[in-house]
Amino acid sequence: TQLLEQSPQFLSIQEGENLTVYCNSSSVFSSLQWYRQEPGEGPVLLVTVVTGGEVKKLKRLTFQFGDARKDSSLHITAAQPGDTGLYLCAGASQSDQTGANNLFFGTGTRLTVIP
Amino acid sequence: DTEVTQTPKHLVMGMTNKKSLKCEQHMGHRAMYWYKQKAKKPPELMFVYSYEKLSINESVPSRFSPECPNSSLLNLHLHALQPEDSALYLCASSQDRGTGLLYEQYFGPGTRLTVT
Repeated sequence: TQLLEQSPQFLSIQEGENLTVYCNSSSVFSSLQWYRQEPGEGPVLLVTVVTGGEVKKLKRLTFQFGDARKDSSLHITAAQPGDTGLYLCAGASQSDQTGANNLFFGTGTRLTVIP
Repeated sequence: DTEVTQTPKHLVMGMTNKKSLKCEQHMGHRAMYWYKQKAKKPPELMFVYSYEKLSINESVPSRFSPECPNSSLLNLHLHALQPEDSALYLCASSQDRGTGLLYEQYFGPGTRLTVT
């Protein structure tokens, strides 16, 4: 089982502040997804990064995949209350035996943006 | 369209009841998943179906019984559950479990299950 550690575990900030969430592992992943989940709802896919060093932007959110494809970061600029939620990273890794992909979830970062 | 639907949204059941959770997707995906999520924790994989065949059972107790009637539907049959089984049950789908670099799962809104 590949472990993905996210930091910080909890983050409470004022509206308009910037923040960065980290997702770290000792394992290499073929791709990495970021999800946002609101209470009582399912995770919503935000982005998938595939190439080492890749940077993707989604409005005020910037996602980066580490050069070695072991880690990733999510940076939010000028956070809004609507950004509040549980952020999950998930790494995809292929089984050596079957070639099938498995998805390994990070430990999660709970973000609260205070108006 | 990246929609996965789940019914019911909420379910309360006694320990002697039999109930079923349903999941549907119309994206032509050939892999479907059941996850269990406890409060403030990431989702935990329970079952994986690939091309309508069960390919992973993560040592889930037999009181949970999955079924994949066709490529669009996934059911989870529940019987004799325990209070500790109360959780958010999530269904997800992906194009397949194959060898492509772009492997993405899309989640449904979940069923909030309470066992009394």
